[in-house]
Amino acid sequence: NAGVTQTPKFQVLKTGQSMTLQCAQDMNHNSMYWYRQDPGMGLRLIYYSASEGTTDKGEVPNGYNVSRLNKREFSLRLESAAPSQTSVYFCASRRQGGGNTIYFGEGSWLTVV
Amino acid sequence: GENVEQHPSTLSVQEGDSAVIKCTYSDSASNYFPWYKQELGKRPQLIIDIRSNVGEKKDQRIAVTLNKTAKHFSLHITETQPEDSAVYFCAASIGDTGTASKLTFGTGTRLQVTL
Repeated sequence: NAGVTQTPKFQVLKTGQSMTLQCAQDMNHNSMYWYRQDPGMGLRLIYYSASEGTTDKGEVPNGYNVSRLNKREFSLRLESAAPSQTSVYFCASRRQGGGNTIYFGEGSWLTVV
Repeated sequence: GENVEQHPSTLSVQEGDSAVIKCTYSDSASNYFPWYKQELGKRPQLIIDIRSNVGEKKDQRIAVTLNKTAKHFSLHITETQPEDSAVYFCAASIGDTGTASKLTFGTGTRLQVTL
């Protein structure tokens, strides 16, 4: 049972390049989330998915797209990376009906130059 | 939407002393309040949580109190140890309604426990 797994762990992009952050969970959780973490700003929600086939915007969705491929996988795509998207990205998941505990992946460190 | 404020942003205590971190929230419908600990370079990990039907919860050296009327909740760490040094985040969300519950986080408190 690996929990929430994110790839890649580290990535450097040039401005304008695109990339996809992958996330998978093996806990049979319904809800999945993408957060970004910047110094002094806590964790801010980018997008979330309540269940397979549904996605919704969070607090800071601009510049990102997501796909809930199936119950296990929830990917985050940067179509045209900008330096302002340099951040640490955390994927998370939560089991519906069993309380509100959210479990985080190990994080993806993204630098846009 | 929900807004969570957290204070202080940094806190330095001597080993053995107590540490208190305070948070306020804006949405009176919020009813779930977790606390996460994040060590340098690691993921946030849940250390304790409280729901709105209780006023206090303890787990060994850690306790959380909730005042729903005033819309604030606090984390108390007693007998602090060097391994308590980390960044602590409070969060708030509306409870399990059958849809995705979105956690709104505070901006974090960097706790340093000195020898």
